Amino acid sequence: GAVVSQHPSRVICKSGTSVKIECRSLDFQATTMFWYRQFPKQSLMLMATSNEGSKATYEQGVEKDKFLINHASLTLSTLTVTSAHPEDSSFYICSASPDRGRDTFGSGTRLTVV
Amino acid sequence: EDQVTQSPEALRLQEGESSSLNCSYTVSGLRGLFWYRQDPGKGPEFLFTLYSAGEEKEKERLKATLTKKESFLHITAPKPEDSATYLCAVYNNNDMRFGAGTRLTVKP
Repeated sequence: GAVVSQHPSRVICKSGTSVKIECRSLDFQATTMFWYRQFPKQSLMLMATSNEGSKATYEQGVEKDKFLINHASLTLSTLTVTSAHPEDSSFYICSASPDRGRDTFGSGTRLTVV
Repeated sequence: EDQVTQSPEALRLQEGESSSLNCSYTVSGLRGLFWYRQDPGKGPEFLFTLYSAGEEKEKERLKATLTKKESFLHITAPKPEDSATYLCAVYNNNDMRFGAGTRLTVKP
């Protein structure tokens, strides 16, 4: 089955620094990947759609300059949280699928900004 | 506006005590309804896809059903290892919308 790898699983950073999260499709090519954010006891909220070779599509209310997405290859998308602040602390999850709708999710990244 | 509502928010069962989780939705042009299992600190794990009213899918102790307004995830004789958050999501025109989930705890 489709496998999506996400790294790192946990990261702690100082306020004002930037953090990069990687999402890789291991056994299939993904022209589109999705980035979600999840707060405790809440559902996944789509942040952006990452498109290989073109600009990402951001959901309303998501700051493009703060959450930089790069999808330079068919198997890798990265999310960079720039100038992180404590309120950016959250659980970030990516997903991808060779067949849209039946997505495979990464294992998630717990970001803590101190 | 498309909405997905899951109930109950939390459910505590004794081992062997069967129950059902509900996912009600309002969406135009439903293309699929999905159930996922999410363990703490992990990404969601795919369980089922349902495409049309009347459809049912089974996997071990889990059975998912779908009507035009809601889906049920039935858990038969649950075990402690079934403890997790169960998420449903609807897929409509390339847009997936998730419910807030039901946190299931099964006590031995």
